[in-house]
Amino acid sequence: EVLLMESGGAVVQPGGSLRLSCAASGFIFEDYTMHWVRQRPGKGLECISLISWDGNITRYTDSVKGRFTISRDNTRNFVYLQMNNLRPDDTALYYCSKGPGGDYWGQGALVTVSS
Amino acid sequence: QSVLTQPPSVSAAPGQRVTISCSGSNANIGSNYVSWYQQFPGTAPKLLIYDNDKRPSGISDRFSGSKSRALATSATLAITGLQTGDEADYYCATWDSSLSIPWVFGGGTKLTVL
Repeated sequence: EVLLMESGGAVVQPGGSLRLSCAASGFIFEDYTMHWVRQRPGKGLECISLISWDGNITRYTDSVKGRFTISRDNTRNFVYLQMNNLRPDDTALYYCSKGPGGDYWGQGALVTVSS
Repeated sequence: QSVLTQPPSVSAAPGQRVTISCSGSNANIGSNYVSWYQQFPGTAPKLLIYDNDKRPSGISDRFSGSKSRALATSATLAITGLQTGDEADYYCATWDSSLSIPWVFGGGTKLTVL
């Protein structure tokens, strides 16, 4: 059974940092691209970052470039999202999703950026 | 502003058929497969359709996807025999290599079963 489980969500002040983790199991993790998708309150889905199977290719949406870093550990089956200089509009539920087409999703990690 | 355009809402009565459209461009839908997701409040999205018209194991055949032959930049999700349990948000998604983040979603459509 494929499982994705995010952790690390929290309430953080503007300008703060947070690292989200996503533990993957039930598939050959090192074979697949992984995504981070966020959903702001009451809004739609937005893929904000992805990482290739080997970690050599990473992509970011413009609004998080230079602030967020995606990485993965294929020995431990984890994908991470380091989020720095957080802003109130980063408040969202953050999902990790198995690539390339998002056939499996975690339950999400809630990030609230507020003073 | 989503790259893919969906109607914000659709509605129909139980037992009826409803369609949800997803409109894009040659750079995305016109060149790539389309997926569809169903999301209930407070839960993660669930894959309903992939590669335009394929259903993952366990997805009811009441759900079907298609990509227009006449207008190759448009895709449609159809749900037949509507049930109250189908009331959810539906999202289309595809790839667009011209963008900084190539996996893109529509804005979502809220389905109301009257």
